[in-house]
Amino acid sequence: QKEVEQDPGPLSVPEGAIVSLNCTYSNSAFQYFMWYRQYSRKGPELLMYTYSSGNKEDGRFTAQVDKSSKYISLFIRDSQPSDSATYLCAMAPRAQKLVFGQGTRLTINP
Amino acid sequence: NAGVMQNPRHLVRRRGQEARLRCSPMKGHSHVYWYRQLPEEGLKFMVYLQKENIIDESGMPKERFSAEFPKEGPSILRIQQVVRGDSAAYFCASSPTEQGRNEQYFGPGTRLTVT
Repeated sequence: QKEVEQDPGPLSVPEGAIVSLNCTYSNSAFQYFMWYRQYSRKGPELLMYTYSSGNKEDGRFTAQVDKSSKYISLFIRDSQPSDSATYLCAMAPRAQKLVFGQGTRLTINP
Repeated sequence: NAGVMQNPRHLVRRRGQEARLRCSPMKGHSHVYWYRQLPEEGLKFMVYLQKENIIDESGMPKERFSAEFPKEGPSILRIQQVVRGDSAAYFCASSPTEQGRNEQYFGPGTRLTVT
């Protein structure tokens, strides 16, 4: 069993929809949680960074962490075609050695 | 503020040659990490360095791979006697020196092709 599970998709939604991306994990020591966006043949771009449980909002993006269920989510509101990319969750016990999910490929259709 | 810089962006090596990948962290960052992304796979941690110190190399293959982050200059990931299985995208990330700031910012990557 992988430490971090993420549905690889692909996920296709119409423009303006709310997108929900999720990861589950097995290591209860994870405390730092991040979401990255990666466009094709580019480096991962940090979108959200949270420590421990709770919600964090930044513009159209909301990250949620539920440590009791070992489940994290990223919500994208008012999705745009420019949001089409692969989204990676990442986590670590001490935010040093990040463990990544496989990535979810998202397409927003105009 | 310039981001994490990596060079070269693309590198082609024949089997048996050496590959050297360079990474300059963001200004104000003294922590450097190397990750490898194989085709159709997620990013895998290789090594974590601070200036002149290797902190965690648990993800690094035991043979042919080495990394350094000297007092002056960029961090270097070195792969000796490359094989076809080393073909991948290699990403460097850096995080701030400031205590409590642990987020990692990635560079554009070096795509290594071994022929």
